[in-house]
Amino acid sequence: DTGVSQDPRHKITKRGQNVTFRCDPISEHNRLYWYRQTLGQGPEFLTYFQNEAQLEKSRLLSDRFSAERPKGSFSTLEIQRTEQGDSAMYLCASSSTPRSGPYGYTFGSGTRLTVV
Amino acid sequence: AQRVTQPEKLLSVFKGAPVELKCNYSYSGSPELFWYVQYSRQRLQLLLRHISRESIKGFTADLNKGETSFHLKKPFAQEEDSAMYYCAPEGTGANSKLTFGKGITLSVRP
Repeated sequence: DTGVSQDPRHKITKRGQNVTFRCDPISEHNRLYWYRQTLGQGPEFLTYFQNEAQLEKSRLLSDRFSAERPKGSFSTLEIQRTEQGDSAMYLCASSSTPRSGPYGYTFGSGTRLTVV
Repeated sequence: AQRVTQPEKLLSVFKGAPVELKCNYSYSGSPELFWYVQYSRQRLQLLLRHISRESIKGFTADLNKGETSFHLKKPFAQEEDSAMYYCAPEGTGANSKLTFGKGITLSVRP
């Protein structure tokens, strides 16, 4: 695997339902990041992990959002009781060091969430 | 507070024209500066980073610490440069993450 994989690519859900997204980073990367991107905006930081430890959470991440990286490999982002305002592209990225290694952060293709 | 500003939303030029995409930042400490690019229907990818001092696809970016700017430049734009461009400083320590600007759409017309 030479890239960051995200699953699913698209998710349509009804308001109030729970959704979970998965991210598989580049295997040798110890840092994993979640971002959210809405139309016309740059990616907004949500949270990041170093190995299995969640080191920072944005104020954007309400109590309905939770992220895990249980074994320091893949990560999941769960949104409970989805709201229409949660509709966005959710991006995952990984990097190899605190200062991003030689290639910077590598991004996945994202999961597009639509809440109807 | 950390802030990155890309003042323009759209830049439209003809092929062969020079391009300058502006980025200003307000950060504590010494952030590392990146430009990321997103071509149509593709994922975000690294274009260049300040520390490497490389020229990628003809683009360069000069860090001006006095003006806290990191403008992206290319002397002769090509149609394949049409994309969304994001300036993204990375902080240090507890702020060790990328913070993205709102991005600018570059449109290069034939």
